[in-house]
Amino acid sequence: GAVVSQHPSRVICKSGTSVKIECRSLDFQATTMFWYRQFPKQSLMLMATSNEGSKATYEQGVEKDKFLINHASLTLSTLTVTSAHPEDSSFYICSAIPLPRGLAGETQYFGPGTRLLVL
Amino acid sequence: GESVGLHLPTLSVQEGDNSIINCAYSNSASDYFIWYKQESGKGPQFIIDIRSNMDKRQGQRVTVLLNKTVKHLSLQIAATQPGDSAVYFCAETEGQAGTALIFGKGTTLSVSS
Repeated sequence: GAVVSQHPSRVICKSGTSVKIECRSLDFQATTMFWYRQFPKQSLMLMATSNEGSKATYEQGVEKDKFLINHASLTLSTLTVTSAHPEDSSFYICSAIPLPRGLAGETQYFGPGTRLLVL
Repeated sequence: GESVGLHLPTLSVQEGDNSIINCAYSNSASDYFIWYKQESGKGPQFIIDIRSNMDKRQGQRVTVLLNKTVKHLSLQIAATQPGDSAVYFCAETEGQAGTALIFGKGTTLSVSS
């Protein structure tokens, strides 16, 4: 149980185009999903917190107009990288916390990641 | 800002040895800690967690120790196997402030047979 999927797993795009990444919780519902970015040989950096039915909360330094997040249902959150540039090339990972919510700090289940390469 | 960090970027062990991976955290308000394993090109995989009201928790072949006095967290892997080779991250969160995780820098564990 507690499986999170991401699609696509890998994407190559031209500079200036937009790319949408989907994050789905397959066997559970989640009101909260998180988006992380990971550069090679570095740790995961939180980009934003995605809340179902409301606006995402972005971390300092993350441009909300560039990284559009839509949490349309309890099982799906999408991250759209708009007007992508080579410096946006990275490994994007989502995570989700299953419902029902217990104590704060419950385990997050991570997706397999999406490798984005912008040429 | 406050962050979680690991003491060593790499650790090399022989198959069958016990491995100890360390992590120091700086946020004394953190009350939930998790160890993740990440293999190349994959997302983090949950290993074990511990809450701040505990100082030790055991799983299958893994043990997490929490020392709140010195803000130190460790992951012990017994009888390390080649399949344990990966990058290990500790992560922390403040329960009351939400559940966003702060990740440490990671330790690359290499197991040779």
